[in-house]
Amino acid sequence: QKEVEQNSGPLSVPEGAIASLNCTYSDRGSQSFFWYRQYSGKSPELIMFIYSNGDKEDGRFTAQLNKASQYVSLLIRDSQPSDSATYLCAVEGFNKFYFGSGTKLNVKP
Amino acid sequence: GAVVSQHPSWVICKSGTSVKIECRSLDFQATTMFWYRQFPKQSLMLMATSNEGSKATYEQGVEKDKFLINHASLTLSTLTVTSAHPEDSSFYICSAGGTREPTDTQYFGPGTRLTVL
Repeated sequence: QKEVEQNSGPLSVPEGAIASLNCTYSDRGSQSFFWYRQYSGKSPELIMFIYSNGDKEDGRFTAQLNKASQYVSLLIRDSQPSDSATYLCAVEGFNKFYFGSGTKLNVKP
Repeated sequence: GAVVSQHPSWVICKSGTSVKIECRSLDFQATTMFWYRQFPKQSLMLMATSNEGSKATYEQGVEKDKFLINHASLTLSTLTVTSAHPEDSSFYICSAGGTREPTDTQYFGPGTRLTVL
């Protein structure tokens, strides 16, 4: 069974700090990894995707992938109160997404 | 990002009635559409996967006769909740994947909040 694990949180960080969100997955054959953000009462929106080992940066967001450790993370620099949401990690396999349960992030002003 | 719409965004119905939810990809061809359900404070639960022109594949525990899915075109999929009951009240979200790059990405619709009285 394919599993994606995330710490449910909440993760609280002060405004301006770096928020670090982590995700592990069980299927070593997974090739595509995604981070979604979901505000309360809304549907998920895509933040980033990453395919290769290493870091991928997009603005304040950096995704990190380590396939050997089956680990993917999302760093949010200069966290803002508007970043407060639940962040979902997703792993793609056989045309199906496997979502983690999400980590709730609170950014305190 | 890619645009996926859902209609209606919010519906209230009486127990025993059927409700149809539409999911449309507006700016790309969705070869695959997914239907999720999310209860309050819980994670997304995949209900079914549908490919254009073929029967949907339902996840274990999801009643295919209760949740009818039709994916008749590359831009439209519908979910019909038949004989809805209060326990079917939930947030239903569709997502679409297809010709929009990256092609293995799912783009989510805004969701439909269903309340069954």
